[in-house]
Amino acid sequence: RKEVEQDPGPFNVPEGATVAFNCTYSNSASQSFFWYRQDCRKEPKLLMSVYSSGNEDGRFTAQLNRASQYISLLIRDSKLSDSATYLCVVKGTTDSWGKLQFGAGTQVVVTP
Amino acid sequence: DAGVIQSPRHEVTEMGQEVTLRCKPISGHDYLFWYRQTMMRGLELLIYFNNNVPIDDSGMPEDRFSAKMPNASFSTLKIQPSEPRDSAVYFCASSPSDEQFFGPGTRLTVL
Repeated sequence: RKEVEQDPGPFNVPEGATVAFNCTYSNSASQSFFWYRQDCRKEPKLLMSVYSSGNEDGRFTAQLNRASQYISLLIRDSKLSDSATYLCVVKGTTDSWGKLQFGAGTQVVVTP
Repeated sequence: DAGVIQSPRHEVTEMGQEVTLRCKPISGHDYLFWYRQTMMRGLELLIYFNNNVPIDDSGMPEDRFSAKMPNASFSTLKIQPSEPRDSAVYFCASSPSDEQFFGPGTRLTVL
């Protein structure tokens, strides 16, 4: 079983609509959680960290559910520029300080 | 700051040749990571360094791969001999703590 699992998509979303997707992780001792964004043929870039209480950054909302071991990302009022692959990222225990586990990514395609 | 710098950006080589990928991390970042990304396997961590010391190289595929970090501002990933299955995008990333900053990657094609 992979440590971080994501639905690969694609999620086809009309412009202006809301899209949400989850990611599950296997290590219950995981310490930190992030969403990265990767555009086609570009490098991954940090979108947002995910905090236990949930957090928002503009149109993006991230939630963490430790009991069920999943994190979610919700994008409101989707823009064409939101089309990208969203990578779920989990940081392990203190034994693997610095090491991140990346999911395979969820592709989002926003259409006009 | 220029961000993480990688060279070359593209490399095309023939099977059996030695390939050396280079990375200059962001100044002041204590961690440096080498990743490989393919469509089939996604983003895989190959090795990472903390303060120039290799911490975890369990992701290095085999002995053909080696990585060095002789100082805080430079790292190399070497493949010798290269094989077609090594074709991928190789990313270098540096980090001060949690957030990792990726370089633009080196697209390697081994014919």
